[in-house]
Amino acid sequence: EDQVTQSPEALRLQEGESSSLNCSYTVSGLRGLFWYRQDPGKGPEFLFTLYSAGEEKEKERLKATLTKKESFLHITAPKPEDSATYLCAVQASAKRVSSGSARQLTFGSGTQLTVLP
Amino acid sequence: DTAVSQTPKYLVTQMGNDKSIKCEQNLGHDTMYWYKQDSKKFLKIMFSYNNKELIINETVPNRFSPKSPDKAHLNLHINSLELGDSAVYFCASSHKPPPGLREQFFGPGTRLTVL
Repeated sequence: EDQVTQSPEALRLQEGESSSLNCSYTVSGLRGLFWYRQDPGKGPEFLFTLYSAGEEKEKERLKATLTKKESFLHITAPKPEDSATYLCAVQASAKRVSSGSARQLTFGSGTQLTVLP
Repeated sequence: DTAVSQTPKYLVTQMGNDKSIKCEQNLGHDTMYWYKQDSKKFLKIMFSYNNKELIINETVPNRFSPKSPDKAHLNLHINSLELGDSAVYFCASSHKPPPGLREQFFGPGTRLTVL
């Protein structure tokens, strides 16, 4: 069964203090890894898709990287508006999976990031 | 313009009641989903529809019945509500169904509280 573990559960940073969030995964052949941002009382908002080990993607102060076992979301010089819960999700490769449901996204429980001014 | 919308935003009801949540997307997507987010924040897929056809049906009690009148709408009806049904329910949509790899766009969620 696919598993996604995110750490830490919660992270408090001072404005400008760079850090990284971790997403470790176990999947029967990775098709893609997704990062989402979720603000309180709202639905997840798509950030990045990573397809293969070594790939990197950037958006403003965020940079996502991928290895064969984990993904990191690096936050450089964060601002208070970066405060949110960051969710990681994986999708298994279809040819390794027998049931359609397992090709769905498997989410981690998220890292709640608070950036203090 | 709201891409994926859900109604109601909040739903408080008694055990045993039947309730519905509605979802609409104006993105022109072919695939829609229902997710349940529990108190530990895990998002779990419940159902997926592609062009009004059910393609994913996770292990969900048959008290939950999705209905897709057209590809822009996916409603969720819940019969005989139980305490354990309390959660936030999210609707989402994407261009392609799995295994097609496309990001999913989520609605704002419906917080269901069963008393």
